[in-house]
Amino acid sequence: SQKIEQNSEALNIQEGKTATLTCNYTNYSPAYLQWYRQDPGRGPVFLLLIRENEKEKRKERLKVTFDTTLKQSLFHITASQPADSATYLCALASGGSYIPTFGRGTSLIVHP
Amino acid sequence: DVKVTQSSRYLVKRTGEKVFLECVQDMDHENMFWYRQDPGLGLRLIYFSYDVKMKEKGDIPEGYSVSREKKERFSLILESASTNQTSMYLCASPPLLAGPDTQYFGPGTRLTVL
Repeated sequence: SQKIEQNSEALNIQEGKTATLTCNYTNYSPAYLQWYRQDPGRGPVFLLLIRENEKEKRKERLKVTFDTTLKQSLFHITASQPADSATYLCALASGGSYIPTFGRGTSLIVHP
Repeated sequence: DVKVTQSSRYLVKRTGEKVFLECVQDMDHENMFWYRQDPGLGLRLIYFSYDVKMKEKGDIPEGYSVSREKKERFSLILESASTNQTSMYLCASPPLLAGPDTQYFGPGTRLTVL
């Protein structure tokens, strides 16, 4: 069966360090992968999309990599700040339906 | 700059009541989605719509129905609310399905069924 796995344990890091979050998947042929930020009690906010034929995407302090051989995406926040503390969700869409399926998210806590 | 709005942020209903959750987008998008989000389970797709009057079941449609009479409005209906439908409900609308460069979610409706 199809699975999207994100680390359920919170990631705690110090301000200024690079945060790296992982999204692994099985039994998908993804057309694209998305990353979202979600704050408590709020709807997710779209951050980045990376397509199957792209290896890396950047946006300001954010970087996403996509390895379809390893079936993994890494999401990096450089020079992290306490304001980056949130839950980060990954979502995959296959070429058949293009409807994204979400992982359960990983909580990031950046300590001052 | 409002793009996706939901009718209520918080809602409390009683078991057996018929509940309407409304979502409106101002971007003229064809696609609209309804998800529910529960701790430990993540976002799960209930229903989606490709166009006016068109609807497709998602992963967990049981106990729900939807209505899309106008392009900008997508309603989720709980025919007879039950306590296991207590959840956060999120509406979303992407501009395209095949590789959208962005995706918009509403603020969510936290529904409690007593």
